[in-house]
Amino acid sequence: SQQGEEDPQALSIQEGENATMNCSYKTSINNLQWYRQNSGRGLVHLILIRSNEREKHSGRLRVTLDTSKKSSSLLITASRAADTASYFCATDAHQGAQKLVFGQGTRLTINP
Amino acid sequence: EPEVTQTPSHQVTQMGQEVILRCVPISNHLYFYWYRQILGQKVEFLVSFYNNEISEKSEIFDDQFSVERPDGSNFTLKIRSTKLEDSAMYFCASSVPPRQGFWNGELFFGEGSRLTVL
Repeated sequence: SQQGEEDPQALSIQEGENATMNCSYKTSINNLQWYRQNSGRGLVHLILIRSNEREKHSGRLRVTLDTSKKSSSLLITASRAADTASYFCATDAHQGAQKLVFGQGTRLTINP
Repeated sequence: EPEVTQTPSHQVTQMGQEVILRCVPISNHLYFYWYRQILGQKVEFLVSFYNNEISEKSEIFDDQFSVERPDGSNFTLKIRSTKLEDSAMYFCASSVPPRQGFWNGELFFGEGSRLTVL
C-alpha cells in the first residue's frame, strides 16, 4: 500500500456509536495528522500527533500512533450525524515545508 | 476566525486555455501551498512557497504550472495551457513557520477551486 492508506474505505454506523478508522504508512515520519472533508468542501484539520507521541485526545477524538507498526488510528466517540464526512490521514516526513502525503480516506456515514 | 479564501469556487475552461486560481492565505502565515484532488482520488501536493520562492514542488508541478505572490496578500496558481487531466479541485493552504524545527500546527486549507477542463 502507499503512504497514508486508511481503512476501512467506507464505514457506516448508528448515531451514538464509536467510529474507528485506521491509517498505515511506509516511511519514517515527523508527524501524522488527521483531516476531515465534508462532501465538496475543504479540508479541516482535526489533530496532529508527533512521531514521539503515542496517544492524543481532542474532545471526542482520540488518535494513537504506533511507529513500530507504522500505523495510526482515529477514534470518534459518541458519533453524531454531523460527523458524516471523509477522514484522511496525512503524513509529513520532510524537514522543510509541510509536504503532506494524504491517504485515500475513509468515508464515514453516521445514520440517525 | 481567520481563514484561507479561494476564488473562483468553480471554473470551466476549454483545453489549452490559461487559468489563474487565486488564494488569500491567513495574514500572519508565511508558508503557502497548493494541493489538488482529482475526483475520487487522494489529495496530492503540488508546490510549497516561502519567502517569495518555491521551496518544493512535486512531479505534477511541471512547466505548465507557476505560482506567484504578486501583491503580498494574494497567492496564485497559473496553469498555462490546461489539459483534460488538470480537471480537479485545487486547494490552497497556508501555515506558520516551524518552531525549533518542529511543525506543531496544521495546514489551513481553503474551500477549494473546482477546475473543469472541457
